Amino acid sequence: KQEVTQIPAALSVPEGENLVLNCSFTDSAIYNLQWFRQDPGKGLTSLLLIQSSQREQTSGRLNASLDKSSGRSTLYIAASQPGDSATYLCAVISRGSYIPTFGRGTSLIVHP
Amino acid sequence: DGGITQSPKYLFRKEGQNVTLSCEQNLNHDAMYWYRQDPGQGLRLIYYSQIVNDFQKGDIAEGYSVSREKKESFPLTVTSAQKNPTAFYLCASSTGTSGGYYNEQFFGPGTRLTVL
Repeated sequence: KQEVTQIPAALSVPEGENLVLNCSFTDSAIYNLQWFRQDPGKGLTSLLLIQSSQREQTSGRLNASLDKSSGRSTLYIAASQPGDSATYLCAVISRGSYIPTFGRGTSLIVHP
Repeated sequence: DGGITQSPKYLFRKEGQNVTLSCEQNLNHDAMYWYRQDPGQGLRLIYYSQIVNDFQKGDIAEGYSVSREKKESFPLTVTSAQKNPTAFYLCASSTGTSGGYYNEQFFGPGTRLTVL
């Protein structure tokens, strides 16, 4: 059974820092990996989707990488801002499944 | 604008009541999902549907029911059999399979259900 772990569970940094959030998964046979952002009391917003054949995806200050062989993905946030404060979740869809497996998220606070 | 809408945003249920949460999407997605989110537990899958008139139980389906009569709608009923329904409920959709790859999941804004 696929398991997804996100480390750290919480992170507090000063504005302007470059950040790396980690996502690891136990079964490397995946279709894709998706990163989400969730603000308190809100739904999940899709940030980046990486297909299994891809190594990375970029959107603005965000860059997500995927290393299937080691079962890892990282979300890199450049020049963090207070508006980046949220919970970040990753999810993978394993081969043979229609259902994504979610990590429990990393709660990020960027203080001015 | 394309997207997923959920209503109501807040819902209060008395003991013994059934309540229905609405989820509508205009993204023309085949697959739809219901998740429950509790503090410290992450997202748990309640039900999912890959096509109209078909749906499957997820990990925590007991005490819940769904229907999928239209492609754009996937309502969730929380029955009186669900003993601890207070939670944040999220609906999602995706295009399902596409050339062997599964496409992005998109989420609605959520419904917070509280038992009085």
